[in-house]
Amino acid sequence: GENVEQHPSTLSVQEGDSAVIKCTYSDSASNYFPWYKQELGKGPQLIIDIRSNVGEKKDQRIAVTLNKTAKHFSLHITETQPEDSAVYFCAATRGGTGTASKLTFGTGTRLQVTL
Amino acid sequence: DGGITQSPKYLFRKEGQNVTLSCEQNLNHDAMYWYRQDPGQGLRLIYYSQIVNDFQKGDIAEGYSVSREKKESFPLTVTSAQKNPTAFYLCASSKLGSYEQYFGPGTRLTVT
Repeated sequence: GENVEQHPSTLSVQEGDSAVIKCTYSDSASNYFPWYKQELGKGPQLIIDIRSNVGEKKDQRIAVTLNKTAKHFSLHITETQPEDSAVYFCAATRGGTGTASKLTFGTGTRLQVTL
Repeated sequence: DGGITQSPKYLFRKEGQNVTLSCEQNLNHDAMYWYRQDPGQGLRLIYYSQIVNDFQKGDIAEGYSVSREKKESFPLTVTSAQKNPTAFYLCASSKLGSYEQYFGPGTRLTVT
């Protein structure tokens, strides 16, 4: 089955700096890679995703890059703000039309943005 | 107001008791999922369902049971056979064939 590793487990940055979180996956057939943000005591919220036919995707201050050859993908947050403080999870799935998407999650990165 | 609701937010039970967690969605999604989250760990899939009256085991189904009698509802029962039931339980849903999963607010279960 799929295995997703995520690093670092904790990350502290100053407000305005950039943050990068990296994930590697094992199943070369995986073709969808979402990133979730989870605030304390709440459910994860989908913030950005990328499919295997795309190398990079941006949405305002966040971007995700994918290297299929190396089987790794990264989340980039620029101009960090205190409200970016949360736990971030990466995930991967090979998906498939007509089937539920069984996501395999990384272990999470606790991002703290300090003033 | 569309979304996924889970109730209750906090649940306390004594060891040896079965407990059922509620998950309802009004997004008209076909697929629903249950995950378990432990401190410092990622989410692990317990069960998922693609259509009414059908469900499949995930990676950690032992000690859990589910039903899917309605499209909108996917309750999870944590049985007394589950050795470590204390955890944060998350329900999610997605359109069939879509990769995007949307999560509810979660239920924190404490068993003593």
